[in-house]
Amino acid sequence: QVQMVQSGAEVKKPGASVKVSCKVSGHTLTEIIIHWVRQVPGEGLEWMGGFDPEDGETFYAQKFQGRVSLTEDTSADTAYMELGSLTSEDTGVYYCTTHPRSGTYYVYWGQGTLVTVSS
Amino acid sequence: DIQMTQSPPSLSASVGDRVTITCRASQHVGKNLNWYQQRPGQAPELLIYDASKLERGVPSRFSGGGFGTDFTLTIKSLQSEDYATYFCQQFHSVPVTFGGGTRVEIK
Repeated sequence: QVQMVQSGAEVKKPGASVKVSCKVSGHTLTEIIIHWVRQVPGEGLEWMGGFDPEDGETFYAQKFQGRVSLTEDTSADTAYMELGSLTSEDTGVYYCTTHPRSGTYYVYWGQGTLVTVSS
Repeated sequence: DIQMTQSPPSLSASVGDRVTITCRASQHVGKNLNWYQQRPGQAPELLIYDASKLERGVPSRFSGGGFGTDFTLTIKSLQSEDYATYFCQQFHSVPVTFGGGTRVEIK
């Protein structure tokens, strides 16, 4: 069983950056693959990217390339998603999630972090 | 990118009804198709993975089928706790993509 607890809601101004954390327990961060998915009004669920600790590869959705950064602090079992150059269209709920190494489906999810971008 | 098209976008049904939601992929995804349920204010929850496998703890009234490009999620006898939004997702290739969702409402 994996528990994923995300940081609290954020309010940001256009052009700013936001950094959301995802604290993992039940497994160490080095054992699981973290992906990030967001849900914005009118866009449904959007995959942003993920990190595989086995090969150290980070992969991003092209839509967010250059604007998003996924990092991990293995000593704290915490993953981070930083999104820059925010606009009002980035307002939504951001989730961390994980899939088993042998599977292609998301079993465990964080509770979500609401990011509001407003001037 | 693989586009996922769900239908219908919403439906109204009564407790005890049989409900079927369809999902079509723009390219072949094999069996790499998953279904999630999302209640308001909550994260999605996995119902069905690999097109037809029931996730642990999910009631057997839920079932999935299909392969390739056309998939279905069926709720055999709708219960009050099933009123929610359902999403399909392909994990055959990156970027992972989701359907637009089907909102199941009380009739």
